[in-house]
Amino acid sequence: EVQLVESGGDLVQPGGSLRLSCAASGFTFRLYSMIWVRQAPGKGLEWVSYFSDNLFTRSYADSVEGRFTISRDNAQNSLYLQMNSLRVEDTAVYYCARVRGSSGWLDVWGQGTLVTVSS
Amino acid sequence: QSALTQPPSASGSPGQSVTISCAGTSSDIGDYSYVSWYQQHPGKAPKLMIYELSKRPSGVPDRFSGSKSGNAASLTVSGLQDEDEAEYYCSTYIPFTNSWVFGAGTKLTVL
Repeated sequence: EVQLVESGGDLVQPGGSLRLSCAASGFTFRLYSMIWVRQAPGKGLEWVSYFSDNLFTRSYADSVEGRFTISRDNAQNSLYLQMNSLRVEDTAVYYCARVRGSSGWLDVWGQGTLVTVSS
Repeated sequence: QSALTQPPSASGSPGQSVTISCAGTSSDIGDYSYVSWYQQHPGKAPKLMIYELSKRPSGVPDRFSGSKSGNAASLTVSGLQDEDEAEYYCSTYIPFTNSWVFGAGTKLTVL
């Protein structure tokens, strides 16, 4: 079964750091680009970051540029998101998703992990 | 990149059809056929329903269809069923920036 499982979400104070993980199974992870998408409580979906399958390209939303770092370990079939200088507005459920095709549709999503930034 | 524009709500009775619009610009929806639609039930992860404007993944009922006109895309749900009640999000991929833009979501209510 193709599956993505996120972990690492927690309650953290403003200015703190957190590292999220996304474990992939059931498919050849290294062949796919991956992204992180977040959803603030009661709000819509927001793209956060992207990491290409060829390992050459990463991109970030303006709202997290310079604070978040995406990485991947193909040997461990895992995607990561290092989040530093966290703000209250980063509070959200964070999903990882698999990217398909040149048109970028997201065909597999994890169940999400909750990050709460609060003092 | 600005968010795509969706109506906040839509509704229909069982068996009816409903269409949800997604307005973009000439720089996103207008230029590319990279629109996808996602269904999200409360407390659940989003699920891909339509990709590349009008293609359905395996397992998605043919009651769901997508189209595009100019700078706007649409999702039509025909023969509404109770389980179709959910939030629906449109999205487009912007290849030259490797970024994604989502709409704010449309809450579909089956009356």
